[in-house]
Amino acid sequence: EAQVTQNPRYLITVTGKKLTVTCSQNMNHEYMSWYRQDPGLGLRQIYYSMNVEVTDKGDVPEGYKVSRKEKRNFPLILESPSPNQTSLYFCASSLTPSGVQPQHFGDGTRLSIL
Amino acid sequence: ELKVEQNPLFLSMQEGKNYTIYCNYSTTSDRLYWYRQDPGKSLESLFVLLSNGAVKQEGRLMASLDTKARLSTLHITAAVHDLSATYFCAVDGSHTGNQFYFGTGTSLTVIP
Repeated sequence: EAQVTQNPRYLITVTGKKLTVTCSQNMNHEYMSWYRQDPGLGLRQIYYSMNVEVTDKGDVPEGYKVSRKEKRNFPLILESPSPNQTSLYFCASSLTPSGVQPQHFGDGTRLSIL
Repeated sequence: ELKVEQNPLFLSMQEGKNYTIYCNYSTTSDRLYWYRQDPGKSLESLFVLLSNGAVKQEGRLMASLDTKARLSTLHITAAVHDLSATYFCAVDGSHTGNQFYFGTGTSLTVIP
């Protein structure tokens, strides 16, 4: 089954404790992206990747890191999480960034930073 | 910075009625996407609009794109309860890079 898999689905942690949210897709998609969803703000793009070893900042990259060492994986790293990063995070992928295919979204990761 | 505005933010409508959700964006883009999100769930693609004048229909939903006016509409015909969800439009910033910009969403509640 074609899917985007995120882990963990839920995480409660404390300020400053490094964490990684994994994202994996099995569709051989070139484009992958991370979003955060906050009430009243819609989805905002954090980082995106056009292909292996190619990443770029979205609208809200501060406090986040990503890497794309393999085509299927695109982890989101919070080196020193802070409470303002408490949010719902979505990973998404598409064959190409602009085309007839929409992005496929993972189920989301709800992060709470205390 | 590309901005995407949706109107209305909240919509409560009776079953059987028609309504339109509007999506305005601030800069040139030829591609627009509509997604649906049920409470506590992920986003599901509804429509991909790839050129000026594009119109797509699926069941009671119809989406259109006017790139000259930088406007897309999502029209709901004879609403049913199952359409209750949050609807997002998203614009591909193909002229400014490869970023995607989402609207703030329209929360639709269909009342029996």
